[in-house]
Amino acid sequence: SQTIHQWPATLVQPVGSPLSLECTVEGTSNPNLYWYRQAAGRGLQLLFYSVGIGQISSEVPQNLSASRPQDRQFILSSKKLLLSDSGFYLCAWSEADSNSNQPQHFGDGTRLSIL
Amino acid sequence: QQPVQSPQAVILREGEDAVINCSSSKALYSVHWYRQKHGEAPVFLMILLKGGEQKGHEKISASFNEKKQQSSLYLTASQLSYSGTYFCGTEIYNQGGKLIFGQGTELSVKP
Repeated sequence: SQTIHQWPATLVQPVGSPLSLECTVEGTSNPNLYWYRQAAGRGLQLLFYSVGIGQISSEVPQNLSASRPQDRQFILSSKKLLLSDSGFYLCAWSEADSNSNQPQHFGDGTRLSIL
Repeated sequence: QQPVQSPQAVILREGEDAVINCSSSKALYSVHWYRQKHGEAPVFLMILLKGGEQKGHEKISASFNEKKQQSSLYLTASQLSYSGTYFCGTEIYNQGGKLIFGQGTELSVKP
């Protein structure tokens, strides 16, 4: 069966520090991968979307970036964190399907607090 | 482009029914429904593709009206475990699974 791992679960970082969040998926090949951010009490904002290695679509202009160095690995990074980067970051995957009838499966998330 | 969910919040007693609506200003290709418990990740409930089909998941079902560009989630005989925030995710055209989520509807089921 497929599983998704996301770490760390909780992170406290000072303003201006770098960031690296990692997500890996097991049990499937060539999945679609997603990074979302959720502010407290708010909805899910799609940040990045990837259909394959090295293929990243950025949905929201910001100081974050994403990379997909391996088929089932998705990394969210920042060179300098801002206070507004605080939130709950969720990685998700879905089977690659051109007909869009595949559910998204979420990792447990990383709660990021910027001080 | 963000779909609008209504109501924003609802409180139920166990056994009562509820309807959550998701409306879009643009024509929809598909609608996904997810439930998120506090502090946890969202969990997939169901997908509806254009065609007006209705799907069910335990006592939770949903419909999709293409002409009205909206979907509704029906929770019948609610249980305590139904509490959480419900999100619809919409796809305007076939984008290979890229969704725009609504702001969520917080559902609280009381004993």
